[in-house]
Amino acid sequence: KAGVTQTPRYLIKTRGQQVTLSCSPISGHRSVSWYQQTPGQGLQFLFEYFSETQRNKGNFPGRFSGRQFSNSRSEMNVSTLELGDSALYLCASSLETIREQYFGPGTRLTVT
Amino acid sequence: AQSVTQLGSHVSVSEGALVLLRCNYSSSVPPYLFWYVQYPNQGLQLLLKYTSAATLVKGINGFEAEFKKSETSFHLTKPSAHMSDAAEYFCAVGRGSTLGRLYFGRGTQLTVWP
Repeated sequence: KAGVTQTPRYLIKTRGQQVTLSCSPISGHRSVSWYQQTPGQGLQFLFEYFSETQRNKGNFPGRFSGRQFSNSRSEMNVSTLELGDSALYLCASSLETIREQYFGPGTRLTVT
Repeated sequence: AQSVTQLGSHVSVSEGALVLLRCNYSSSVPPYLFWYVQYPNQGLQLLLKYTSAATLVKGINGFEAEFKKSETSFHLTKPSAHMSDAAEYFCAVGRGSTLGRLYFGRGTQLTVWP
């Protein structure tokens, strides 16, 4: 089975712009979670989607949003980028009844 | 709220030595517990998981972890370190009431000396 894929792998944006990151889960997985990883804050949960519905949300401003499509693929969007949004954004997928998450390689976002 | 503490942000061992990475969690109910490994410029790879079956859990690459409820610990061990084990290791906790969300420790960077 193919693993979790994320595109793009690297992205450079300037302050004020917006960005969309994409995640394709493992086939059959319906839950997709997003995390932000930074050296200062570590791994922080952004949100989780299941069957196109957001079930859980972390403590991030409204500039961070996401969605999930009927094929379980997910996107996250960050509007009005700030320098502090520079991070590795990780997507993870899991089966509903099994709690372990399988991570993609991440998207490295740099905001200048 | 969940809390995961990894004691020691950096651990160094010699090749062939025992690896011990510590993890303590706070939870009022039995949690799901995981260890992940992250190599540079990569995502997280699942090493092993505890889901209330056996307290001693075996994972990939020779790693294992023991769940000790009385100590609220889930330490990761490997009898003999290999150079390829050098990476960052994360302990994580999940609960049924927080769907899709794992709480991660701050990570332990493992260095293996030849």
